[in-house]
Amino acid sequence: QQPVQSPQAVILREGEDAVINCSSSKALYSVHWYRQKHGEAPVFLMILLKGGEQKGHDKISASFNEKKQQSSLYLTASQLSYSGTYFCGTETLNNDMRFGAGTRLTVKP
Amino acid sequence: SQTIHQWPATLVQPVGSPLSLECTVEGTSNPNLYWYRQAAGRGLQLLFYSVGIGQISSEVPQNLSASRPQDRQFILSSKKLLLSDSGFYLCAWQTGLNSPLHFGNGTRLTVT
Repeated sequence: QQPVQSPQAVILREGEDAVINCSSSKALYSVHWYRQKHGEAPVFLMILLKGGEQKGHDKISASFNEKKQQSSLYLTASQLSYSGTYFCGTETLNNDMRFGAGTRLTVKP
Repeated sequence: SQTIHQWPATLVQPVGSPLSLECTVEGTSNPNLYWYRQAAGRGLQLLFYSVGIGQISSEVPQNLSASRPQDRQFILSSKKLLLSDSGFYLCAWQTGLNSPLHFGNGTRLTVT
């Protein structure tokens, strides 16, 4: 069963912040975040393994609440290059990596 | 360094024709391998995944099949394509649990 992402789409101005949420009904081993530019393959951003773990990548960070099976991706001071579709991927011990429907992020000047 | 090759990049096939998409990984051994399909403007649908040679788990049986004849080779096949098989097919690999997925450049399939 694939994770549920929200919102479906976000439009920002440069410098604004955004939060993308991901939740699953299954017990998760890890949560991954990827970004896909139009017409290209998804690119790995970060992986979160432990409950409450937070990771950062430049001005993009994420958290994972293991008890609630939820993860959030935080984009601060957005840049034009942040535009794209963001996917969360959830991993169980069965090695099946499933992705949410994606969140389309548009950053405007 | 590890690389993933996926071909062809684009493919136009008539309904009812067969399909074979190939994916190979270099620079690693015993990777987990995945096939995903992405319809236009949609998410990534897991089709098949494999943790070893001959071990294939299917999510979408329908008219697609997958094989892993060698450790670093993953093949997606169909005997008769349907219009609904059109999409962007992505192969991916990872070294194991808790490691990033690395995607190939994808195959854009149009069934006419």
